[in-house]
Amino acid sequence: GAVVSQHPSRVICKSGTSVKIECRSLDFQATTMFWYRQFPKQSLMLMATSNEGSKATYEQGVEKDKFLINHASLTLSTLTVTSAHPEDSSFYICSARELAGGHNEQFFGPGTRLTVL
Amino acid sequence: SQQGEEDPQALSIQEGENATMNCSYKTSINNLQWYRQNSGRGLVHLILIRSNEREKHSGRLRVTLDTSKKSSSLLITASRAADTASYFCATDPNQAGTALIFGKGTTLSVSS
Repeated sequence: GAVVSQHPSRVICKSGTSVKIECRSLDFQATTMFWYRQFPKQSLMLMATSNEGSKATYEQGVEKDKFLINHASLTLSTLTVTSAHPEDSSFYICSARELAGGHNEQFFGPGTRLTVL
Repeated sequence: SQQGEEDPQALSIQEGENATMNCSYKTSINNLQWYRQNSGRGLVHLILIRSNEREKHSGRLRVTLDTSKKSSSLLITASRAADTASYFCATDPNQAGTALIFGKGTTLSVSS
């Protein structure tokens, strides 16, 4: 299957700083990318959907000003956690669909573990 | 939003036994998928079953889908210690281009 990468795989930061996570589709063009968050011993919760060249759509309860999403190209989406706090510590997973408007498979990145001290 | 409910939440069995996990969902779907996740790691795609299919096999895995009951089950036969992981069902909504929605998951522990 297609490959989605995330960088960094792990990040530790101080409270109040901003952290950027990159999600790349390596061998296909992703018109739609998704960001999930997973707290320990819980399931994946969808945070937002990003479409290339347009604003992201956020799920209810997710602060768009805190979690900035940019999908500037067909192979790259970034999630910036602004003014991070310990409660933002989580496992962030991105995924990508190859074509908009179709039920193509959704491919997942390996995840980024964020720890905010 | 979380769509699926899975049961049991946790399952402990011995090697060689079969493990059955169930998933229920709420809205119409195009397909349903099962994933495995080892502790602290990423997702591994196991199997996809389309809404017009009732049963699918892949190695030691057997998945069933009952769209009238909005439920699915994952059976792992002859389990091994290496099967120890969390298992999630994920529904692909009947609206193209939307995200997979994950169930709460079942934590499987297989002891040798």
